[in-house]
Amino acid sequence: GAVVSQHPSRVICKSGTSVKIECRSLDFQATTMFWYRQFPKQSLMLMATSNEGSKATYEQGVEKDKFLINHASLTLSTLTVTSAHPEDSSFYICSARDSGRVGTEAFFGQGTRLTVV
Amino acid sequence: GDSVTQMEGPVTLSEEACLTINCTYTATGYPSLFWYVQYPGEGLQLLLKATKADDKGSNKGFEATYRKETTSFHLEKGSVQVSDSAVYFCALSDRPDSNYQLIWGAGTKLIIKP
Repeated sequence: GAVVSQHPSRVICKSGTSVKIECRSLDFQATTMFWYRQFPKQSLMLMATSNEGSKATYEQGVEKDKFLINHASLTLSTLTVTSAHPEDSSFYICSARDSGRVGTEAFFGQGTRLTVV
Repeated sequence: GDSVTQMEGPVTLSEEACLTINCTYTATGYPSLFWYVQYPGEGLQLLLKATKADDKGSNKGFEATYRKETTSFHLEKGSVQVSDSAVYFCALSDRPDSNYQLIWGAGTKLIIKP
């Protein structure tokens, strides 16, 4: 089945530094990928929709200058948390659906646990 | 707009008990319905899905039937195991186009005690 690979699975960084998270679709093409943030014991909060070859669409309240998204190819989207602070610590998850098929489910990456110290 | 409502958790059961997690939805048209599972510290995995009314999705002993008349997609399992402990999310897609995200329920945490 389709696989989405997310890397790294865990990262600890110092306040003020930037962290890049990669999301790859391994055996299908995805013109659109989605980035979610999940707080403890809560559901998924959509942060932004990543569009191949164009700017990402951010949800209300999400700072686009802080959470930089680049969708450089049909199989790769990256999320960069810039100037990270402890309040950015969270579980980040990407997902993608196969652009070549209709009505398919979303496939998820393994998630990235970000801890900012 | 479209929405998904799940029963609040946590749901705590003993091993081998019967499980039902309720999920109801509101949507225009004929959405596809999904159940996803999230094990501790991991991303989400598709558990089962149904794409039209009266379809039954099933996997790993879990099943859910797409009920259009009651706009429901309840998740059931006849005998749960400790390994089923996880968070379960109900979701819908009202567009066949893959470029639209799914609409998610809040998730229900399931705890199975030995």
